[in-house]
Amino acid sequence: ETGVTQTPRHLVMGMTNKKSLKCEQHLGHNAMYWYKQSAKKPLELMFVYNFKEQTENNSVPSRFSPECPNSSHLFLHLHTLQPEDSALYLCASSQELGSYNEQFFGPGTRLTVL
Amino acid sequence: GENVEQHPSTLSVQEGDSAVIKCTYSDSASNYFPWYKQELGKRPQLIIDIRSNVGEKKDQRIAVTLNKTAKHFSLHITETQPEDSAVYFCAASNAYSGGGADGLTFGKGTHLIIQP
Repeated sequence: ETGVTQTPRHLVMGMTNKKSLKCEQHLGHNAMYWYKQSAKKPLELMFVYNFKEQTENNSVPSRFSPECPNSSHLFLHLHTLQPEDSALYLCASSQELGSYNEQFFGPGTRLTVL
Repeated sequence: GENVEQHPSTLSVQEGDSAVIKCTYSDSASNYFPWYKQELGKRPQLIIDIRSNVGEKKDQRIAVTLNKTAKHFSLHITETQPEDSAVYFCAASNAYSGGGADGLTFGKGTHLIIQP
């Protein structure tokens, strides 16, 4: 185990539902990330947090709303999603930003939007 | 922003042969180039990385080369084994972007298949 956990591992939701994805890291890292992984596409960076402060929002639609209450926890709140939002959502963490830091990934949440 | 192109998308090699995966990047300020391996149903994991002040780095059967002038870097796997079968992603970032885009920009991935 890499020390990064994600829940739930699988999620099926309708377009009108509201749900949240949770990520927790037990590595003492200061930076956390959300990535989207779709079939036939590269891993897409969505959000970056450093010491609970958002440093990057990579033009992500407002139906995705991140929350980082502390350096160990990261949430992704979902509402009124579209079928094309179905993907694997990966959380990652690294020691800090602005350096040669390995990113440790969680197992991902497989999201299906009906 | 950074753009990373990766080729080929699928690579099939005989067990024991070598495999080479190539990536190009667009931002000359990028200075950190990791490679991640993602086995089926599992999370991506770092296998090797290289910094821009180095031209080549080796770790047992895997090696990475970097050509800063041409802005391309490659992953070399020798004596391939069945457990090397996975999707490999290259990535690039500016490790000293000073609070800008500190996430990695990934290539689309290469599905490496090792034929027995």
